[in-house]
Formats: sequence, C-alpha cells, structure tokens
Amino acid sequence: EVQLVESGGGLVQPGGSLRLSCADSGLTFSSHWMHWVRQASGKGLVWVSRINSDGSTTTYADSVKGRFTISRDNAKNTLFLQMNSLRAEDTAVYYCARGSYDFSYVMDVWGQGTTVTVSS
Amino acid sequence: DIQMTQSPSSLSATVGDRVTITCRSSQNIIKYLNWYQQKPGKAPQLLIYAASSLQSGVPSRFSGSGSGTDFTLNIISLQPDDFASYYCQQSYTTPYTFGQGTKLEIK
Repeated sequence: EVQLVESGGGLVQPGGSLRLSCADSGLTFSSHWMHWVRQASGKGLVWVSRINSDGSTTTYADSVKGRFTISRDNAKNTLFLQMNSLRAEDTAVYYCARGSYDFSYVMDVWGQGTTVTVSS
Repeated sequence: DIQMTQSPSSLSATVGDRVTITCRSSQNIIKYLNWYQQKPGKAPQLLIYAASSLQSGVPSRFSGSGSGTDFTLNIISLQPDDFASYYCQQSYTTPYTFGQGTKLEIK
C-alpha cells in the first residue's frame, strides 16, 4: 500500500522559510504527478502547486507564486515544497497528494499532513 | 479562477437516509469534477473522479453525476462512517479549486 509521509512543518516567523518533504513508500513515485494542498484550521482545501513526473513542469497558485518552489527527487522517492517569505496567511496543514496513474489531476493518495504556523 | 459552490454547507441526516450534495462550477468543466471525503483531523480521501467514476475501494452507496456546470454526490443508505465533510474539486484547469465543503452530521 502506497503511503505518503510529510515532514518539515513547524513554527516560523513572518518572512522566514521552511522546506516541507513528502516521502513516498511506494514503487511508482517517479511515474506520478504530485501536488501540494493546504488547509487552514477550520477552513476548506486549497490547491497550492503541482509537479510532473520528471520534475520538468511546475504550476503554482497565484497566492504562492514567486515564494514557493515545488521539486522532487525521484531517486529518493521524495517531494519537496520550499516556502520562502512566509506570511501569516500561509498558516495551514499542508498535504502532499499523488496524481492518479491515469489522471494526473485526480489526487488519489494523500499524506497525513504537516502543520505550518507562521507567527511572531 | 473557476469558482466551485457547494450546497448545502451543512446537512443533518440519520443512518439509513439518502442524501444529495450539489456542486456548481462558475464555468463549464465538462466532467472534470472530483469528490473527496474528509474526517476530522484526517487527510481527504478520493471518492469519485471524472464526475461519476467510483474510486477503487469506495462503497457503492456513493455515486456521482453531472456534467458541464452542475454536479451531484449521492449517498444512499447512510452509514455511521459516512458522517464527515465532503468537498468537490474541479480539475479542468489550474488552479484546481475546491468547493467550500459540506459537513454531514448525525441528526
């Protein structure tokens, strides 16, 4: 069974940086698009970013464009989200999700989430 | 961005009931519509993709329908495990946007 495990969340001051990781225990990581989705406490889901299977194509929500960078290391089955210039409104649980094999834009496996808190 | 509007925002029902949740998109998304279930403190789980295709392992009491701008999620014979929040999501174009969610509670 595929399992995604996020790490790297924590408390950071406004303007600071964090790097989130998402480790995939499966055998097909390099075949899948991957996504980051976030959810502020008590709020709905917000798509943040996606990356294609070989890492050559990335897309971002306008709210994070220029501040966040998605990347992957297929040799290590790991997805990353580098978050710079963090703002209070970036406070959320961040989930990584796998694009399904047939439909890259359908998120069929999700991690348990890692919490990012931006506060002074 | 494509706006997704779900109704109702909350819903009270009893075990055994049939419930319907609707989702409307601000523009035609053909059938690029997915449904997720989320329980408190847990990650979302995919229920339905491409408007009406049931994800592997999801009970057949869940079904989806619709195309264009109007979509529905139906749950027949509600079970205790079904009380959760439900989100629709369009995957027609980025940014992929979600509805605001529907919280299904026990009456």
